[in-house]
Amino acid sequence: DAKTTQPTSMDCAEGRAANLPCNHSTISGNEYVYWYRQIHSQGPQYIIHGLKNNETNEMASLIITEDRKSSTLILPHATLRDTAVYYCIVRARLLSGGYNKLIFGAGTRLAVHP
Amino acid sequence: NAGVTQTPKFQVLKTGQSMTLQCAQDMNHNSMYWYRQDPGMGLRLIYYSASEGTTDKGEVPNGYNVSRLNKREFSLRLESAAPSQTSVYFCASSEGYGQGKETQYFGPGTRLLVL
Repeated sequence: DAKTTQPTSMDCAEGRAANLPCNHSTISGNEYVYWYRQIHSQGPQYIIHGLKNNETNEMASLIITEDRKSSTLILPHATLRDTAVYYCIVRARLLSGGYNKLIFGAGTRLAVHP
Repeated sequence: NAGVTQTPKFQVLKTGQSMTLQCAQDMNHNSMYWYRQDPGMGLRLIYYSASEGTTDKGEVPNGYNVSRLNKREFSLRLESAAPSQTSVYFCASSEGYGQGKETQYFGPGTRLLVL
């Protein structure tokens, strides 16, 4: 699985967009980019994932560069409840017989301020 | 629809005691997982069950055993607890493999302290 690099921490003002970057320069062609977040003391929560194209859902947008070596998670209007650790994870699409492993790094600690 | 539930929420054990952490999901998912998270660290996979009737080791399986009791339930057992097993334990499930099925849903966690 490709390794990811994220900033240790970021700040964002409430109501503004939060842009969380992730570098995954060793990503291979069949590897997906997943984003999860963990609000203090809770279980991780799935946010979004993508392979090549940009993706959007009710929580966030995922922008993947053309060379796929980096991506950005965008929370369009951050709220105080978005304060959490955000994990960028890259892993291979599995063939049958493999196992579904998520490798969580240290993540980015996002603090949203009033 | 409760999602993934875990019991107990908190537990204190003495070194050498045994206990079983319970996990259940009501999403009809095929795959289930056990992770541990130490303070300030990311999650590490202990064991997983790709489908009912199968289990396999993850990154840190030593000191643990698991049982996939049925499709809904996946338990984690500590036979002889050690202080190094003090951690927060998360159970997760996913529909299965392949596009759109690999997203994992996590339970609220069990906080375990081994004295």
